Amino acid sequence: GAVVSQHPSRVICKSGTSVKIECRSLDFQATTMFWYRQFPKQSLMLMATSNEGSKATYEQGVEKDKFLINHASLTLSTLTVTSAHPEDSSFYICSASPLAEYEQYFGPGTRLTVT
Amino acid sequence: EDKVVQSPLSLVVHEGDTVTLNCSYEVTNFRSLLWYKQEKKAPTFLFMLTSSGIEKKSGRLSSILDKKELFSILNITATQTGDSAVYLCATPRGTSGTYKYIFGTGTRLKVLA
Repeated sequence: GAVVSQHPSRVICKSGTSVKIECRSLDFQATTMFWYRQFPKQSLMLMATSNEGSKATYEQGVEKDKFLINHASLTLSTLTVTSAHPEDSSFYICSASPLAEYEQYFGPGTRLTVT
Repeated sequence: EDKVVQSPLSLVVHEGDTVTLNCSYEVTNFRSLLWYKQEKKAPTFLFMLTSSGIEKKSGRLSSILDKKELFSILNITATQTGDSAVYLCATPRGTSGTYKYIFGTGTRLKVLA
């Protein structure tokens, strides 16, 4: 149980284009989903927290107009990187927390490369 | 200030050794402490601890929580090269609907053949 999927696992896009990453909780409902990014050999950095049906809460320094988050249902959240630039290249990881539980399960991550 | 501190930062052992990883925490309204293993991809869930003194076990891995002294340990017995990874602990901070997780910096474990 407690499986989180992410799609795509790897994406290469050209500078200036937008990329959408999907995060799904497959066998549980998630009130809250989190989006992280991670650079090589560095810690996870929380970008934003999203609750189903409400606006995401972004961490300081994360541009909400650049990283659009939608949490349309209790099993799906999406992150859209708009007008991507090479510096947005990173490993993006989502996680989900089951209803009324303080535990967190990670998706497998999406490696984004912007050329 | 809420924080999670892990020690040691890194550790090199030989196959067959037993290791103990430490995680101390300070958080308002403690709810749970989580352990993860991260290899080259995203973290994988190991344990969630909520009660003091109750050991959780999965194969060669075990973990226990001390809510009085505010720490947890993760034990790995008979280590194997496949145990080489970064081990993270985390705890949620905040209230329902507005919480997020605080992570320690991780312990990087390397197991030599």
